[in-house]
Amino acid sequence: DAGVIQSPRHEVTEMGQEVTLRCKPISGHNSLFWYRQTMMRGLELLIYFNNNVPIDDSGMPEDRFSAKMPNASFSTLKIQPSEPRDSAVYFCASSLARARAEAFFGQGTRLTVV
Amino acid sequence: GENVEQHPSTLSVQEGDSAVIKCTYSDSASNYFPWYKQELGKRPQLIIDIRSNVGEKKDQRIAVTLNKTAKHFSLHITETQPEDSAVYFCAASMGKIIFGKGTRLHILP
Repeated sequence: DAGVIQSPRHEVTEMGQEVTLRCKPISGHNSLFWYRQTMMRGLELLIYFNNNVPIDDSGMPEDRFSAKMPNASFSTLKIQPSEPRDSAVYFCASSLARARAEAFFGQGTRLTVV
Repeated sequence: GENVEQHPSTLSVQEGDSAVIKCTYSDSASNYFPWYKQELGKRPQLIIDIRSNVGEKKDQRIAVTLNKTAKHFSLHITETQPEDSAVYFCAASMGKIIFGKGTRLHILP
C-alpha cells in the first residue's frame, strides 16, 4: 500500500478563494482524521470520520471549513472563503476503527493564503 | 473538552544523556497513548505506544510509562544520538486522537 495520499502537496492561493484539500486513506482503514499544524497551536484535530460518517467536528474552526467523505477511499477538506490565518500544514491520517489503533499520516498539504 | 498537556516545549540534552518528556490528559476514557516523532518538513510517525492496561513499555532506547490514576504518561529516551533531534508529540485516544503541542528535542554534540 502507498500509505495515506494527500494532494496537493503545496497550495498558494489568494485570500477569498476556495481551497480544496484531498485525501486517500490506506485501503481497509475506516477511521479518517484531518489535522491542522501551526507553530503556535501544534496539531489540532479538525474532524474525524468513522465508516465515512463524521463523528466529531468540534475542532472545525468556523463555517468556512467543511469536510466530506463520500466513500471509504476519499475525503476532502474545503475552505471557502480562505483567509491568511488559514495558512498552515494540513494533515490527513487514517487508522483501523478499533480501540488502540495506530494512525498513519499523509505527507501533508502546505497551504499559504496571501 | 479533551485536552493533552505536554512539557517541556523545548529540551536540549547532551549526546549520550537521557531525555524525558511528560504529558497529562483530561479524559479518563482515553485508553491508548501513542508517541510520534516528526522530523523537519516530514509527517509525524509513530515511534512507540502504550495501552491502558499496561504501565510501562520499552523498545530499545525508548520507554514509555503510564499512570492512569494520575492521568500522566512519559517518554524516556536513553543514550541520545544526533538522529533523535526532532519534535515529539504525545497523544491520547478514545477513538479520536488528541495531540499535545509537541516538544522540540535538540541533541547537543
